[in-house]
Amino acid sequence: EAGVAQSPRYKIIEKRQSVAFWCNPISGHATLYWYQQILGQGPKLLIQFQNNGVVDDSQLPKDRFSAERLKGVDSTLKIQPAKLEDSAVYLCASSRDGQGTDTQYFGPGTRLTVL
Amino acid sequence: DQQVKQNSPSLSVQEGRISILNCDYTNSMFDYFLWYKKYPAEGPTFLISISSIKDKNEDGRFTVFLNKSAKHLSLHIVPSQPGDSAVYFCAAKGGGSNYKLTFGKGTLLTVNP
Repeated sequence: EAGVAQSPRYKIIEKRQSVAFWCNPISGHATLYWYQQILGQGPKLLIQFQNNGVVDDSQLPKDRFSAERLKGVDSTLKIQPAKLEDSAVYLCASSRDGQGTDTQYFGPGTRLTVL
Repeated sequence: DQQVKQNSPSLSVQEGRISILNCDYTNSMFDYFLWYKKYPAEGPTFLISISSIKDKNEDGRFTVFLNKSAKHLSLHIVPSQPGDSAVYFCAAKGGGSNYKLTFGKGTLLTVNP
């Protein structure tokens, strides 16, 4: 079974530029998550999708971050414009149905550096 | 407000000995707890979990203990191996319809040969 795929693996941009990350979850997984992991911290949930609907985006900075999962499969996360404090690893995870003891499987992440 | 706390940023043990990683939580609504392991440049990998109705769960060399009254859980690795060297994250889920994972800051485990 293929794991969660993410691209790019690394990205360096100037502040105020825009950037987009792509995620392809494990086949058949209905739930998709985007996390932000700042150096020295644990992952923090930005947004959770159930199929193509948003379940939780309470910690997504909506003035600059957006995410979509149009066909209920792969997803993109965009930052526009980027700030220095957005430097972090952006992790995508997926799970079968997001319920109860459902396990989340993580991709390798995209390391973003904002200069 | 750190609801899941891993107070030891790092831990170093000798190969073959026991590694004990600790985690405390403050939210009494958490009812499911997980440990993830993370190698550099990789995403976190699920290791072991425990439901709040249990106080122990074992999987090979890994055992998780839960003390609900103390709001404390620990991960024991016996015997420790150099390949266990990684960052270990404790995570917790709330009950009811809230299935969001809340992570601790992680503990870097180094197992010396």
